[in-house]
Amino acid sequence: DGGITQSPKYLFRKEGQNVTLSCEQNLNHDAMYWYRQDPGQGLRLIYYSQIVNDFQKGDIAEGYSVSREKKESFPLTVTSAQKNPTAFYLCASSIWANRGGTEAFFGQGTRLTVV
Amino acid sequence: AQRVTQPEKLLSVFKGAPVELKCNYSYSGSPELFWYVQYSRQRLQLLLRHISRESIKGFTADLNKGETSFHLKKPFAQEEDSAMYYCALPLPPDAGKSTFGDGTTLTVKP
Repeated sequence: DGGITQSPKYLFRKEGQNVTLSCEQNLNHDAMYWYRQDPGQGLRLIYYSQIVNDFQKGDIAEGYSVSREKKESFPLTVTSAQKNPTAFYLCASSIWANRGGTEAFFGQGTRLTVV
Repeated sequence: AQRVTQPEKLLSVFKGAPVELKCNYSYSGSPELFWYVQYSRQRLQLLLRHISRESIKGFTADLNKGETSFHLKKPFAQEEDSAMYYCALPLPPDAGKSTFGDGTTLTVKP
């Protein structure tokens, strides 16, 4: 079954702790993305990666970190520096098109609650 | 800067009424635009793209270059259309900016 898998679906952490969200895809896509979804604020881009071992900051990268050691995996770490980490996080992937455009394929999301 | 704007955060219509979700864009070059939908408890997924000029679940969207708009329309709304809708430019991102609009929550009342 091809697609993007995010885990866990729900995550609770204490304030001050770092937490890592998992994202795996088997679509053979080069590009992967992390978005944060808050009510009334749309989808804000956190980080994205065009290729293994390379990634770029998005709109709201502060307080987050990522790695891209494998094509299939793009984990997101929410650090203690993120001031308002409680949110719904979406991972996506796409082919990477230098010309023209392409669509995004999304995971089911992870709802992070920091208490 | 390339961006899309969805002016309505919330939209409510009665079942059977026409519905139009607005989207305006700013894009250099020939734009390609998408509508994504997120039903309750389901993943965000592509609804339609303008280049294919198809109708999905009764929805259509026409690109109007003069008005720089890509509004999503359906002549007769159904309760199952209640969802969050996002208008979007294509990936990859331009200068690290999200290619998605802020979204419109559509509620279709019985």
